[in-house]
Amino acid sequence: DAMVIQNPRYQVTQFGKPVTLSCSQTLNHNVMYWYQQKSSQAPKLLFHYYDKDFNNEADTPDNFQSRRPNTSFCFLDIRSPGLGDAAMYLCATSDRTGDYSTDTQYFGPGTRLTVL
Amino acid sequence: QQPVQSPQAVILREGEDAVINCSSSKALYSVHWYRQKHGEAPVFLMILLKGGEQKGHDKISASFNEKKQQSSLYLTASQLSYSGTYFCGTEREDSSYKLIFGSGTRLLVRP
Repeated sequence: DAMVIQNPRYQVTQFGKPVTLSCSQTLNHNVMYWYQQKSSQAPKLLFHYYDKDFNNEADTPDNFQSRRPNTSFCFLDIRSPGLGDAAMYLCATSDRTGDYSTDTQYFGPGTRLTVL
Repeated sequence: QQPVQSPQAVILREGEDAVINCSSSKALYSVHWYRQKHGEAPVFLMILLKGGEQKGHDKISASFNEKKQQSSLYLTASQLSYSGTYFCGTEREDSSYKLIFGSGTRLLVRP
């Protein structure tokens, strides 16, 4: 009964070689988030979708892009990965029904990205 | 803008209590507490809403002081399984449905 699924769990890429991480959910939540978490640091929000409405954080590098083709799926594209992009990438979802949260965000297991 | 968590780290013996604090300089609507073990995703513990009551289940509880924009997580009679890094995620009143995470508190419970 997995709710937020991320594939692959581990991804190894070469410096500058594009990579795509995927996230799917069975919760039918209207908000999906992508976070980057480096070792011993807090998760950092990269961007999120509210339905099809894309919201980018001001400090998210242009190297990071995202697509949400439907409610269930969301992708993170890293166009030219650098060594500094090695991290755990976490996908999360929430159900936006009012002005503010009444429930939490549900995280997937994460994809650990290694850049060689 | 990142909420401040304290302490940064704490070591307990099994059965001891701990308090982890999270404070923000901005007005908050909700505070979400998570525990993360090494190499795993954050696991939700509880959510505190503005105007809500103190929450708790089993030996873990939390409070939210709206006047001070502070939340505290209380761990009583700690168990070995409590070890991990605790994060507070704060939802600001001017930024709904987005969480900004504190820097984390590393908790180690020893036998």
